[in-house]
Amino acid sequence: GAVVSQHPSWVICKSGTSVKIECRSLDFQATTMFWYRQFPKQSLMLMATSNEGSKATYEQGVEKDKFLINHASLTLSTLTVTSAHPEDSSFYICSASVGDRVGEQYFGPGTRLTVT
Amino acid sequence: DAKTTQPPSMDCAEGRAANLPCNHSTISGNEYVYWYRQIHSQGPQYIIHGLKNNETNEMASLIITEDRKSSTLILPHATLRDTAVYYCIVRVAYDYKLSFGAGTTVTVRA
Repeated sequence: GAVVSQHPSWVICKSGTSVKIECRSLDFQATTMFWYRQFPKQSLMLMATSNEGSKATYEQGVEKDKFLINHASLTLSTLTVTSAHPEDSSFYICSASVGDRVGEQYFGPGTRLTVT
Repeated sequence: DAKTTQPPSMDCAEGRAANLPCNHSTISGNEYVYWYRQIHSQGPQYIIHGLKNNETNEMASLIITEDRKSSTLILPHATLRDTAVYYCIVRVAYDYKLSFGAGTTVTVRA
């Protein structure tokens, strides 16, 4: 149980275009979903937290107009990287938690974004 | 400020127990200790968590010292598939955030 999927697993896009990444909880309803970014040889950095039906809460330094998050249902959250640039190339990982067990986060397999 | 300190790397022998230390000397009474691991190019995986009592599940055991200033994650019989970066994280009970540090890169060798 507690499986989280991401789509796509990797994507290459041209500078200036937008990319949408989907995160789904397959066998449970996720109260809260999280988006992280991980640059090569670095640790995960939390970008934003979202609850179903409400606006995402972004971490300091993360541009909310550039990284659009939509949490439309209890099983789906999307991250759209708008006007992507090469410096946005990274490994994007989502996670989901259930109820008040927010410390137990179940992570997706990640999406590798390369902006050329 | 980092709330936990872990060795950057360690090697373990396949089939033997792997003991991963973590120092969290400034931990507060309402903070939990969580362990996650990340196999290369995958999303992290939840392992175990505890407050003050020792915990065990199908993956590992968590031993927390009585003063709660340090803990040890024990993988009872390490396999090659346990090679990963292991993160020890301290989380306040009411806070949803997990702050990932550098972790310990564990390499299990045959």
